[in-house]
Amino acid sequence: DAGVIQSPRHEVTEMGQEVTLRCKPISGHDYLFWYRQTMMRGLELLIYFNNNVPIDDSGMPEDRFSAKMPNASFSTLKIQPSEPRDSAVYFCASRPGTGAYNEQFFGPGTRLTVL
Amino acid sequence: AQSVSQHNHHVILSEAASLELGCNYSYGGTVNLFWYVQYPGQHLQLLLKYFSGDPLVKGIKGFEAEFIKSKFSFNLRKPSVQWSDTAEYFCAVNALNYGQNFVFGPGTRLSVLP
Repeated sequence: DAGVIQSPRHEVTEMGQEVTLRCKPISGHDYLFWYRQTMMRGLELLIYFNNNVPIDDSGMPEDRFSAKMPNASFSTLKIQPSEPRDSAVYFCASRPGTGAYNEQFFGPGTRLTVL
Repeated sequence: AQSVSQHNHHVILSEAASLELGCNYSYGGTVNLFWYVQYPGQHLQLLLKYFSGDPLVKGIKGFEAEFIKSKFSFNLRKPSVQWSDTAEYFCAVNALNYGQNFVFGPGTRLSVLP
């Protein structure tokens, strides 16, 4: 298995532009998580899905952020408009749904820089 | 709400020194516990996990962790660190009654000097 795949790996954009981050979870995993990592705030959960349905989006910082999961093999995190304070590494993770005893598997992350 | 604390922000050790990284959580119910490692520039990888049974858990690369329920702790240990253990270490808790959400600690950066 290729693991969790994220694209792009690096994104540099200007303030005000729309940014779309993409994630392909491990096949067969029922849960998908989006995290943001910064030096100041550490690793924060933004949102997670179960079977393509958003379950908890309380971590989404504001309305500029939105996430979708149109099918079991693809999710996007969109920031519109982007701001410099959104600069961070964004990780996607997936987890099997069978049993409560499974860890999350993380993707390589997307390093976002907003100028 | 769940929270996870890690005692040290940055630990510096020489090779062959022993390591112990502290982790405490605030939840009284049943929990699953994890330690993840993030090597420089890489994603998080699982070191070890605890669900039930023997509170002393052995993971990869010689790491182990001990769950002490009365202290709400899950400390990570390694008897002899190597330069290649330089990384950031995250403790995470999944409180079963809170669903599938993992709560991560702030991380401890470990620097091992050759």
